[in-house]
Amino acid sequence: QVQLVQSGAEVARPGASVKVSCKASGYTFTHYAIHWVRQAPEQGLEWMGWIKPGSGDTHLSRKFQGGVTFARDTSASTAYMELTSLSSEDSAVYFCAMLLVDTAFDYWGQGTQVTVSS
Amino acid sequence: QFVLTQPPSASGAPGQRVTISCSASTSNIGSNTVKWYQRLPETAPRLLIYSDSQRPSGVPDRFSGSKSGTSASLAISGLQSEDEADYYCAALDDSLSGWVFGGGTRLTVL
Repeated sequence: QVQLVQSGAEVARPGASVKVSCKASGYTFTHYAIHWVRQAPEQGLEWMGWIKPGSGDTHLSRKFQGGVTFARDTSASTAYMELTSLSSEDSAVYFCAMLLVDTAFDYWGQGTQVTVSS
Repeated sequence: QFVLTQPPSASGAPGQRVTISCSASTSNIGSNTVKWYQRLPETAPRLLIYSDSQRPSGVPDRFSGSKSGTSASLAISGLQSEDEADYYCAALDDSLSGWVFGGGTRLTVL
């Protein structure tokens, strides 16, 4: 069955970087984009962008341009999200997900808590 | 980019029917279908409805979705205590080349 398994919780200092991984299984990794979604404390879900594992193409929501980078390792069926120059505002739960239109084919990782604290 | 607006909260007694609305800021959503998600604490969002009104396998038929013009709705009938959760609508925004989520509605079962 399709699974997206994310790396564990991260605690980082302001100004540092963190990299969250999302390992896919149960389907052909290169066939579907991986999306990243954020949920900050007491906030709603917020779409950040996507990476197409087949081509490596990425697209970020304007809000996240400049501080977020997506990457993938097709040999490991794993997508990555790197957050740089962290501030307290980056403290949130980050999800990877397969989001498709007009289909029940919809899968999410379990979420990764990122805490930025000095 | 359009905005999806949901009421911040909703409530109902066990057994009652509750409706949660999702209103789009532009008419662009008219051509795009809506998804609904349920988010329980400490869990990933669960897809309840796709294509405005379709239920994935395993989702109880107590959950139903509809859309008219620029507004979509999620109805939950026969409310149960386990339905207490946050609910989000979502739609693809072609101009954004990405997804827009509503602000979420916290459902309380009284």
